[in-house]
Amino acid sequence: GESVGLHLPTLSVQEGDNSIINCAYSNSASDYFIWYKQESGKGPQFIIDIRSNMDKRQGQRVTVLLNKTVKHLSLQIAATQPGDSAVYFCAEILPQGGSEKLVFGKGTKLTVNP
Amino acid sequence: NAGVTQTPKFQVLKTGQSMTLQCAQDMNHNSMYWYRQDPGMGLRLIYYSASEGTTDKGEVPNGYNVSRLNKREFSLRLESAAPSQTSVYFCASSNRPRGLSYEQYFGPGTRLTVT
Repeated sequence: GESVGLHLPTLSVQEGDNSIINCAYSNSASDYFIWYKQESGKGPQFIIDIRSNMDKRQGQRVTVLLNKTVKHLSLQIAATQPGDSAVYFCAEILPQGGSEKLVFGKGTKLTVNP
Repeated sequence: NAGVTQTPKFQVLKTGQSMTLQCAQDMNHNSMYWYRQDPGMGLRLIYYSASEGTTDKGEVPNGYNVSRLNKREFSLRLESAAPSQTSVYFCASSNRPRGLSYEQYFGPGTRLTVT
């Protein structure tokens, strides 16, 4: 099966709360991780990335945390807004015989309630 | 600057029919990709092209062929469509000089139904 997965398929939060979306990966050789956001009827959109030599990276209202010890990745969204409602995918880069492979998780659907 | 464009947006095929999905990008990116997305699953890579003139298989290449026509265009062909190929197909591009890349820009998708 997929080496990248998500603990929860759905997440519902109140507007203004912080959201945390989790992702587990199994390949310790993965050296790069990405979060994508996909709104209904649209293609995925890059949010933020992190290299394996980092533990944390911040963007605008988003923070990605990487715990290599337990092979866990999380996306934190501060002050969640209705426009944040979407499916969020984590993806990892797997080294593969001189090339690389991008593997997506199955996604978490975030619903923001007004 | 339109980004990544895909045609058609929707398509219905009968089993055994053939068709080509078109993709173009205007960002001068080197690498282009084709993915399929099935309900409840993440995106799975079908084929990719790290640069003009090269193509490589991804995770689920069977039943598909691709052509990197030039730097801008990357097409996906189904020679004999099967119901298992019912899916949403996304094209993406990125500017990594070789191999797969990280910040990929996606098109709006083509929703294909095979009956």
